[in-house]
Amino acid sequence: DQQVKQNSPSLSVQEGRISILNCDYTNSMFDYFLWYKKYPAEGPTFLISISSIKDKNEDGRFTVFLNKSAKHLSLHIVPSQPGDSAVYFCAASNTGFQKLVFGTGTRLLVSP
Amino acid sequence: GAGVSQSPRYKVTKRGQDVALRCDPISGHVSLYWYRQALGQGPEFLTYFNYEAQQDKSGLPNDRFSAERPEGSISTLTIQRTEQRDSAMYRCASSLAGLTDTQYFGPGTRLTVL
Repeated sequence: DQQVKQNSPSLSVQEGRISILNCDYTNSMFDYFLWYKKYPAEGPTFLISISSIKDKNEDGRFTVFLNKSAKHLSLHIVPSQPGDSAVYFCAASNTGFQKLVFGTGTRLLVSP
Repeated sequence: GAGVSQSPRYKVTKRGQDVALRCDPISGHVSLYWYRQALGQGPEFLTYFNYEAQQDKSGLPNDRFSAERPEGSISTLTIQRTEQRDSAMYRCASSLAGLTDTQYFGPGTRLTVL
């Protein structure tokens, strides 16, 4: 069973506009959530995280929103840049279990 | 370099052979994680270590898979009697100490079993 779901395999956005990537989870025990970015031929790179005690975390152009009641999180990138084109993975964990559960990824393409 | 390194980057083997995949974590990182990533999927947890102790191996698919980290640094993931379904990207990650510290991923080893 897929505990972390990214239902959009791809997203295309114009440079300067907002990119919104979505993620849903099913396990109510998850209390820590992360977004990773992956370029071709490289390993995933940590982008931003959020604990379940918060509903928003911001880092520069990147903001993650958490809606615990809906078991939904989203990553907003504003403004989007061509260098943001990559695959974005959502991940979740229960901090007591020390392992990440990843979604299937969303490929973001930001065109000039 | 200062990042996580993995070797070999590519491994092609015949069904039934044993393979050993190596991970060299960032110096000083206590925690080391192994993941497997199939095409079009996200990384799937296999096992992790704190220092030399294997803390959780619940993600290892069967007893053909094993991992060790004898001196608390370099780790080896071994797959015995490989099968075609073992073909995947195997990724290693390390973190300073535990889950809430950032996991830094290596470039992966692409394993192909013929």
